[in-house]
Amino acid sequence: SQELEQSPQSLIVQEGKNLTINCTSSKTLYGLYWYKQKYGEGLIFLMMLQKGGEEKSHEKITAKLDEKKQQSSLHITASQPSHAGIYLCGAFGGSQGNLIFGKGTKLSVKP
Amino acid sequence: DGGITQSPKYLFRKEGQNVTLSCEQNLNHDAMYWYRQDPGQGLRLIYYSQIVNDFQKGDIAEGYSVSREKKESFPLTVTSAQKNPTAFYLCASSPGHLGNTIYFGEGSWLTVV
Repeated sequence: SQELEQSPQSLIVQEGKNLTINCTSSKTLYGLYWYKQKYGEGLIFLMMLQKGGEEKSHEKITAKLDEKKQQSSLHITASQPSHAGIYLCGAFGGSQGNLIFGKGTKLSVKP
Repeated sequence: DGGITQSPKYLFRKEGQNVTLSCEQNLNHDAMYWYRQDPGQGLRLIYYSQIVNDFQKGDIAEGYSVSREKKESFPLTVTSAQKNPTAFYLCASSPGHLGNTIYFGEGSWLTVV
């Protein structure tokens, strides 16, 4: 079965610094989703990538899907305390329709 | 407003009792999902349904049951067979095919006392 591995598991950065979170799949990705969550609350959709090489941005967050479609990165520029939370990547496990997620990356931003 | 509604938000259960978590969506989505979240574990798929009257087990289906009698509803029953049911449960829905946004409910906290 397909697995998604996120790195790092947790990250503490100083406000204003840039950071990158990675999501690596054991199989080819057919659509990769990025969500943000505060633990114990629902997930907030950030963006979705489908095509190899695709890159999308929303405010200070940029996500890319690599050409081989097995890895995605999420980059935050000039981090702010409002960026703190858990970032989760998700993908469909092939054609089976099951939607799987990585274990998440916990981001803390120090003022 | 369209969206996914989970209820209750907080639920306490005594050991040995079954409990049902509700998930309703008015987005006309074909697919619905149930996840469990524990600290440091991310989201683990319990069950999913791609169409009415059909559902499949996810990675951790043991001790859980679901039904999909209506398109808008996908209730999850946590049975007494689930050894460690205390967790945060999330329901999601999507149009059911690649390229579409997946929407999540606000989640339900289940505590076994």
